[in-house]
Amino acid sequence: GDSVTQMEGPVTLSEEAFLTINCTYTATGYPSLFWYVQYPGEGLQLLLKATKADDKGSNKGFEATYRKETTSFHLEKGSVQVSDSAVYFCALTRRSSNTGKLIFGQGTTLQVKP
Amino acid sequence: NAGVTQTPKFQVLKTGQSMTLQCAQDMNHEYMSWYRQDPGMGLRLIHYSVGAGITDQGEVPNGYNVSRSTTEDFPLRLLSAAPSQTSVYFCASRMDGPPYEQYFGPGTRLTVT
Repeated sequence: GDSVTQMEGPVTLSEEAFLTINCTYTATGYPSLFWYVQYPGEGLQLLLKATKADDKGSNKGFEATYRKETTSFHLEKGSVQVSDSAVYFCALTRRSSNTGKLIFGQGTTLQVKP
Repeated sequence: NAGVTQTPKFQVLKTGQSMTLQCAQDMNHEYMSWYRQDPGMGLRLIHYSVGAGITDQGEVPNGYNVSRSTTEDFPLRLLSAAPSQTSVYFCASRMDGPPYEQYFGPGTRLTVT
């Protein structure tokens, strides 16, 4: 079945460091790929998305590229801030899915220290 | 637009009590869904709806009922609460058509004692 695997956290970085959170997926066809962010005590916010191979999603300095050949969608940011501390979820959905379900990775906690 | 709204934000129930978690969206989305989030289990789909009058089960539907009488509202009912239903519940909605991203509400944190 479809699945998403994320690197385990927590990831602890100093402010202005470079961030990479790895995400790989297993799915048939061409799923849509997403990154969601969850701040403490809040719901999930859509961070960025991509729908086809080589698409690059970007938002708020975060980027991820849909790599079909490696089935990956790694999240990157050039310079993290304390305010980026949150849990990040990689997710996919297939257009052909009957349920429309989003399949999530387990989440990666990012802690950014001043 | 308010997006997806949920009430209440917090709720404590005793075992056996019933309650309804409210969810509403103002984006005219046909598709709505309910997830629960548990430590170590990620997010799991409870029920979903592809339009008014149409609902179906997700992967963990037992103990929950839903209905969809309008496009805007998608309440989740707990019939007889159990401690295993202690969780954070999220409602989400999305447009029909790619890329199929879903927009989530702020969540309801439910504790069943």
